[in-house]
Amino acid sequence: QKEVEQDPGPLSVPEGAIVSLNCTYSNSAFQYFMWYRQYSRKGPELLMYTYSSGNKEDGRFTAQVDKSSKYISLFIRDSQPSDSATYLCAMNTGNQFYFGTGTSLTVIP
Amino acid sequence: GAVVSQHPSRVICKSGTSVKIECRSLDFQATTMFWYRQFPKKSLMLMATSNEGSKATYEQGVEKDKFLINHASLTLSTLTVTSAHPEDSSFYICSAEPASGGHSSYEQYFGPGTRLTVT
Repeated sequence: QKEVEQDPGPLSVPEGAIVSLNCTYSNSAFQYFMWYRQYSRKGPELLMYTYSSGNKEDGRFTAQVDKSSKYISLFIRDSQPSDSATYLCAMNTGNQFYFGTGTSLTVIP
Repeated sequence: GAVVSQHPSRVICKSGTSVKIECRSLDFQATTMFWYRQFPKKSLMLMATSNEGSKATYEQGVEKDKFLINHASLTLSTLTVTSAHPEDSSFYICSAEPASGGHSSYEQYFGPGTRLTVT
């Protein structure tokens, strides 16, 4: 079993839709949970960063962590064509990062 | 803040030659830098962890004699692909973890990546 599982998509939504991106994991030692956005042919960019369970909101983005279910989510409200990218979840035990495979998102104008 | 640069952004080289890729943290010091390889439609594959002033730690299956890593200072790490072959063609991305004091020690910031093509 992989440490981190993420549906690769692709996911295609109309502009203005709410997008839900998810990852599951198996290692209960993960403490830090990150979401990265990666545009084509670019390096990943840190979007959101949360510690332990709970929600964190930043503008149109909300990150949610449920440690009891080993499940994390990223919600994008009022999605825009500029949100079209690959979204990678990542987790950290404090010693090593583990990445999901990334979900490809296209927001159609 | 927290900008990481990579140079070059793209490189084409002939089989058998060596290529050096630089990774710099521009506005912070990084005691630890990571080197990743990314295949199309695949996630990041960690190749090695580089600590300033010490030897890099390579992941299983990564040839340390082929992928030479040098972390010469708190702001610079280099990856040299020696005797490159076409199967080494890939997107190489570095990341840097800020030294404690200015940022959370559990964040890392990625460079823009280097596209290597070996002909």
